[in-house]
Amino acid sequence: AQSVAQPEDQVNVAEGNPLTVKCTYSVSGNPYLFWYVQYPNRGLQFLLKYITGDNLVKGSYGFEAEFNKSQTSFHLKKPSALVSDSALYFCAVSAPSNSGYALNFGKGTSLLVTP
Amino acid sequence: DTEVTQTPKHLVMGMTNKKSLKCEQHMGHRAMYWYKQKAKKPPELMFVYSYEKLSINESVPSRFSPECPNSSLLNLHLHALQPEDSALYLCASSQDPLAALDEQYFGPGTRLTVT
Repeated sequence: AQSVAQPEDQVNVAEGNPLTVKCTYSVSGNPYLFWYVQYPNRGLQFLLKYITGDNLVKGSYGFEAEFNKSQTSFHLKKPSALVSDSALYFCAVSAPSNSGYALNFGKGTSLLVTP
Repeated sequence: DTEVTQTPKHLVMGMTNKKSLKCEQHMGHRAMYWYKQKAKKPPELMFVYSYEKLSINESVPSRFSPECPNSSLLNLHLHALQPEDSALYLCASSQDPLAALDEQYFGPGTRLTVT
């Protein structure tokens, strides 16, 4: 089964510091991995995805993610955190289903950036 | 236009009411999804429509009834709900239901409260 795990319920970072939100995956075959962000009382917004190619993927709002096959990880990173980055972050993997694909989400990591 | 719209934003209904949630996208996407999300939890997949046909029903109770009138619209009909059905209901769409690498675009959600 295709799955992802987010080991941290919450990550706290001071504004201006680098941030990392962790995600590990367990898949058979090629992994198609995604990061989404959810601000309070809003839907999920797509940040970035890994399909193949470069292990460093750049996405929206200055976020990037590093795909590491040997460690089966796909950690989300940003060099300098903003208070406005405070939100709930979900890692997801595309999994085959009856007639197509569906996203399997991790449990989510709450990011709090303090001034 | 990369927007998925959902109406209403908020809905309060009694356990004997019948109501409907609506979702619309004009991106030409051929896959549409309904998710249920509880607070600070990942979205749970309910239904998937692929080329306007129901392709996945994740063992959802019959009090939830999806409908896809055309390729741009998705409805979720609600009847005789229970208080535990109170949640944020998210609609999403993606370009090709057979493509593992397509990201999903989410609407802002309908906050449903069952009294």
